[in-house]
Amino acid sequence: DTAVSQTPKYLVTQMGNDKSIKCEQNLGHDTMYWYKQDSKKFLKIMFSYNNKELIINETVPNRFSPKSPDKAHLNLHINSLELGDSAVYFCASSMRTNTGELFFGEGSRLTVL
Amino acid sequence: AQSVTQLDSHVSVSEGTPVLLRCNYSSSYSPSLFWYVQHPNKGLQLLLKYTSAATLVKGINGFEAEFKKSETSFHLTKPSAHMSDAAEYFCVVSDWNNDMRFGAGTRLTVKP
Repeated sequence: DTAVSQTPKYLVTQMGNDKSIKCEQNLGHDTMYWYKQDSKKFLKIMFSYNNKELIINETVPNRFSPKSPDKAHLNLHINSLELGDSAVYFCASSMRTNTGELFFGEGSRLTVL
Repeated sequence: AQSVTQLDSHVSVSEGTPVLLRCNYSSSYSPSLFWYVQHPNKGLQLLLKYTSAATLVKGINGFEAEFKKSETSFHLTKPSAHMSDAAEYFCVVSDWNNDMRFGAGTRLTVKP
């Protein structure tokens, strides 16, 4: 039973394309996140949703649009992909009352050519 | 705003020897502190956390960390390294607003 699952695991695409990454958690958590990890392993939060409501929206290009259809899902859509978007994107979840304990998915490696 | 500094980007030890991964934090409030581990091509996993209870915190896989307010440090240690400990380790600070900040990571290499 995978607690936080992301699809796809690998994504290779051309500049200018639009792509989506899906995330689902079966832990009953009420808060979900998207993180970006660059080639130097630096991890940066992008978005956070609590019960489908956006609560953190860091300085991220508006080409990135998260969508949370319910509290178990948080998808990430990226328009007009650029070379600099190449990274590993991690989905995570937690309980709002215990936000330090994040449960991460295995990551989605996006390569933009 | 709070932040963490991981003092070593890479630490190399021999199997069976002690591990020390250093982390200093900066916070205006009483912080919560965490260590996460990331094995190759995997997501991050919580190793241990400090949330203003005991200053010596024990985690999984034999790791522990000590919160030292006077030194603003939260170093991660393990008495005896195992090959399976080779991974990237992240120190994380969280303030009263649950805003979490990750350190830049320390890559631990374990030599046979």
